[in-house]
Amino acid sequence: DAKTTQPNSMESNEEEPVHLPCNHSTISGTDYIHWYRQLPSQGPEYVIHGLTSNVNNRMASLAIAEDRKSSTLILHRATLRDAAVYYCIKASNYQLIWGAGTKLIIKP
Amino acid sequence: NAGVMQNPRHLVRRRGQEARLRCSPMKGHSHVYWYRQLPEEGLKFMVYLQKENIIDESGMPKERFSAEFPKEGPSILRIQQVVRGDSAAYFCASSPPSDRGQFFGPGTRLTVL
Repeated sequence: DAKTTQPNSMESNEEEPVHLPCNHSTISGTDYIHWYRQLPSQGPEYVIHGLTSNVNNRMASLAIAEDRKSSTLILHRATLRDAAVYYCIKASNYQLIWGAGTKLIIKP
Repeated sequence: NAGVMQNPRHLVRRRGQEARLRCSPMKGHSHVYWYRQLPEEGLKFMVYLQKENIIDESGMPKERFSAEFPKEGPSILRIQQVVRGDSAAYFCASSPPSDRGQFFGPGTRLTVL
């Protein structure tokens, strides 16, 4: 299967770090890993993407395993506004291959 | 810089009618992508267009669906003779040339009665 594998849902407490795992064992050498998130009734929002090295931006960090078969999205300090479905996506050239995502629930 | 715009946001059609969904990409973006999303599922790629060219339509149903991105104006996704199974959220994304990041619009929710 060309899709990525993610847990269906995860819970976290507000103001704590969140680690969202993703397996992509079929990834090829030129495929990027993208993360998007989607709130109910909204379009997906870009979070971060990377190829081999770990990446950081103002929203999150992306840790990519050395063999590239898995990665972890890290939200350093979750807020209630981070509650969404998070999609880990294998990007083959321009095609984004979407799985079912992880529903992140943030508890106050 | 306005984001990707889609209209209408909600569209209701009866079986057999036509649905036209419009997408205006972000300024400076010449690549447009259309995706379909069913409830509780991820997005499924439909078509990738550049100005006046269809680059990849491998995700488009062979019948009733068509897409265009003219030299002037928005990209249009057209569904002829809609059926209940066409009910879904349709998202458009755009990107500049040579960039893997895609920016999404708010979507059009099509309901076929």
